[in-house]
Amino acid sequence: NAGVTQTPKFQVLKTGQSMTLQCAQDMNHNSMYWYRQDPGMGLRLIYYSASEGTTDKGEVPNGYNVSRLNKREFSLRLESAAPSQTSVYFCASSPLQFYNSPLHFGNGTRLTVT
Amino acid sequence: DQQVKQNSPSLSVQEGRISILNCDYTNSMFDYFLWYKKYPAEGPTFLISISSIKDKNEDGRFTVFLNKSAKHLSLHIVPSQPGDSAVYFCAASLLSGSARQLTFGSGTQLTVLP
Repeated sequence: NAGVTQTPKFQVLKTGQSMTLQCAQDMNHNSMYWYRQDPGMGLRLIYYSASEGTTDKGEVPNGYNVSRLNKREFSLRLESAAPSQTSVYFCASSPLQFYNSPLHFGNGTRLTVT
Repeated sequence: DQQVKQNSPSLSVQEGRISILNCDYTNSMFDYFLWYKKYPAEGPTFLISISSIKDKNEDGRFTVFLNKSAKHLSLHIVPSQPGDSAVYFCAASLLSGSARQLTFGSGTQLTVLP
């Protein structure tokens, strides 16, 4: 079982460039999330989608946009990359947003903005 | 201001001994707590959880203790094994409106020495 798949695994951007991080899950989960992990900061929620057709801001949404393309896919877009967005990005999914079901994470995208 | 804190960035333990990882939180509205384990170049994986109505939950070698009055939880691993070497994140959950919000600590790197 693939679980949560993220592409690409690594990416280097120049300041001002744009890119989209892709995420897909094959577990028929309703809720999907984007987190970023920075040293000493843990994981911080960027955006989430409680169910297909809805998206909401998390703790650190500035500089990002998201699209819940369908139940399986949730993409994160950086319109104009900045060095402060250098981070490891994790996509996650869970069966239902309301309940305490654990998140299932992808293996991450390591992004460097120069 | 971090609502979930893991004050020890790293911990080294001898194989076979007990590992104790600690986590403190400030928001009394958190009602569910989870521990995740993360290996390098992989996403976090769920380890164990506890509801705020309990003070202990056990799963094999892993036990989580919750002290609500002190706003403190700990993860005990007995006996520790070299394969347990990883970064451990604690996370706390609360219901915000119609959605659950998960807040992560900054992580503790556990090294189990053979």
